[in-house]
Amino acid sequence: QKEVEQNSGPLSVPEGAIASLNCTYSDRGSQSFFWYRQYSGKSPELIMFIYSNGDKEDGRFTAQLNKASQYVSLLIRDSQPSDSATYLCAVNNQGGKLIFGQGTELSVKP
Amino acid sequence: GAVVSQHPSWVICKSGTSVKIECRSLDFQATTMFWYRQFPKQSLMLMATSNEGSKATYEQGVEKDKFLINHASLTLSTLTVTSAHPEDSSFYICSARALAGARDTQYFGPGTRLTVL
Repeated sequence: QKEVEQNSGPLSVPEGAIASLNCTYSDRGSQSFFWYRQYSGKSPELIMFIYSNGDKEDGRFTAQLNKASQYVSLLIRDSQPSDSATYLCAVNNQGGKLIFGQGTELSVKP
Repeated sequence: GAVVSQHPSWVICKSGTSVKIECRSLDFQATTMFWYRQFPKQSLMLMATSNEGSKATYEQGVEKDKFLINHASLTLSTLTVTSAHPEDSSFYICSARALAGARDTQYFGPGTRLTVL
C-alpha cells in the first residue's frame, strides 16, 4: 500500500461546479497535511494546510481532515478553468519530509 | 507568504560539464531545504535533504558524488550536477522548510529546467 494515495484522474468538472479531490494516507501518526497545486511545467504551489480534524476554509478552497479514517480532501467551489492543474496531497512525516500522493489532474471545462 | 527563489530558471549545457543551481529562501530562514527532480508526466522525486551546516542526506539510489549539495547558510542551498549527461535532463525543484511554532511547512522554488545536450 502506498503511503499517500490519490486518484490520478483526470477529474473533469464544468465551470462553476464543486471539484472534490480525495486523499488517503497510511501512517496513523501523521500530523500535518497539505494540498499543493501544480500547473504543467511549473513547480508546486502551497494552497492549503490542515493539522486538526474538521474543515478549514480559505476562499473557494476547503480542506477536510478525518484522522480516524486517515482521509483528507480538498473542495474547490465555483471551479474556474484557471483551477485546471494537478493537485498534490502531501503528508509531513517526522523529520519534515513530505510524502506526496501521485496527484490528481483536474480539468475545469468552460 | 514565504518566498523561495531558484537560479537559474533554465540552463542548457554540454555533456560532461557541471551545473550549479541555487535555492534561496528570501524572507525566512530555512535550516532544512529539500531537492527534488521531476521528469515529464511523473511525480516529484525527492533527491536529498539539505541541512544547514551539515552533510546532506541522500535518498536511496541518488548518487551523492554526482549531485553535490551545499547548505552554507540559513537562506542558501546549492545543488551541483557534476559531469552532466543527457539522462540528467530534468526539472529540478527545491523547497525550503519553514518552522513557525507548531507549523512545519515546505515552500517550493520555481524550479530549474536542465537540458544536457
